[in-house]
Amino acid sequence: AQTVTQSQPEMSVQEAETVTLSCTYDTSENNYYLFWYKQPPSRQMILVIRQEAYKQQNATENRFSVNFQKAAKSFSLKISDSQLGDTAMYFCALDGNKLVFGAGTILRVKS
Amino acid sequence: DTEVTQTPKHLVMGMTNKKSLKCEQHMGHRAMYWYKQKAKKPPELMFVYSYEKLSINESVPSRFSPECPNSSLLNLHLHALQPEDSALYLCASSQSGTSGFYEQYFGPGTRLTVT
Repeated sequence: AQTVTQSQPEMSVQEAETVTLSCTYDTSENNYYLFWYKQPPSRQMILVIRQEAYKQQNATENRFSVNFQKAAKSFSLKISDSQLGDTAMYFCALDGNKLVFGAGTILRVKS
Repeated sequence: DTEVTQTPKHLVMGMTNKKSLKCEQHMGHRAMYWYKQKAKKPPELMFVYSYEKLSINESVPSRFSPECPNSSLLNLHLHALQPEDSALYLCASSQSGTSGFYEQYFGPGTRLTVT
């Protein structure tokens, strides 16, 4: 079985500041992939960042980076220089044999 | 073109109606997915098609019937739905069904209301 836990239902951050969203997971698969997806209000779900579990190096995509701790089964997302357009629901997701999402964290960026 | 399109955007149907949701992609992807998403909840996988064959059915009630006529199209046929089936139905596609190696691209969804 695969489970994903996001313990922060809502977070807020000031524009231009940095915020970290938490995610822990559990899986019995040896090979798996971890994702952060962003779903803005009434808009399409898009992929923010992807991490292959067999890679030790943390993935980065511009202002988005992850802290992947495989032994601790932790996969947090750091957003630097937050922008108003980052306001969205963020889902952590795990794919070992199918894509399973966490409950989501609503992030509000304030001006 | 990294787009997955879904029609209609909104659908209201009675419990005795028959309707269909349509999903299309032209990225050459060989895996397509249906998800159900309730308000402020994560998407839940319903079906996976890989190379036009149904590979995963997450014990979805038979009132939902998926169909994959070709590698670019995915339909979800609806019949005798219940009000609790009201939700956003998301379609996604990926290059293949190999878990996670290829990212899934999501469509904008069809917001379904069952009255």
